[in-house]
Amino acid sequence: NAGVTQTPKFRVLKTGQSMTLLCAQDMNHEYMYWYRQDPGMGLRLIHYSVGEGTTAKGEVPDGYNVSRLKKQNFLLGLESAAPSQTSVYFCASSYRQGSGNTIYFGEGSWLTVV
Amino acid sequence: AQSVTQLGSHVSVSEGALVLLRCNYSSSVPPYLFWYVQYPNQGLQLLLKYTTGATLVKGINGFEAEFKKSETSFHLTKPSAHMSDAAEYFCASTSGGYQKVTFGTGTKLQVIP
Repeated sequence: NAGVTQTPKFRVLKTGQSMTLLCAQDMNHEYMYWYRQDPGMGLRLIHYSVGEGTTAKGEVPDGYNVSRLKKQNFLLGLESAAPSQTSVYFCASSYRQGSGNTIYFGEGSWLTVV
Repeated sequence: AQSVTQLGSHVSVSEGALVLLRCNYSSSVPPYLFWYVQYPNQGLQLLLKYTTGATLVKGINGFEAEFKKSETSFHLTKPSAHMSDAAEYFCASTSGGYQKVTFGTGTKLQVIP
């Protein structure tokens, strides 16, 4: 049972480069999320999706884009990477938010922008 | 708007001692409350959650938490700390209807032999 899978796990980018983080879940969850985790700041929501073909902005969306073309996949794109985007990124999914359902997290993707 | 406050970014306890990690929430409606644990270089795993019903919630690895509406708290406890409990713990809250989950800033637990 894979759960939530993120790729790549580690990546180093140069300032201005672009990249895409891939997230896949095999639990048939409607909702998917991208968070970033920085020391002392907890988890901050970047973008989320409530279903296939839908996306919405979270707390810190600037500099990121997302797509949910298939229910099981949620992609996070960095168009022009900046050092401030150095962080650990977590993808997560749940059946439905706001009703006490558990959010399941991936293992994280460590991104360094130099 | 809902918010979650975790008191103490770092907590140290001796092995075998009581673990108490504090969490207070702010919500205009009855919340759903969660505790997640994050081991080094891993994602977050659910420890326990409160939705409705019994206010004392038992989770995995001997942890439990009590929902106290009058104190707007959901503190996490474990009677006797183990070395394997060393990790970062996150309290989270969400409300009924469509609301985003709000996470606290986390508490790193250190267990001293």
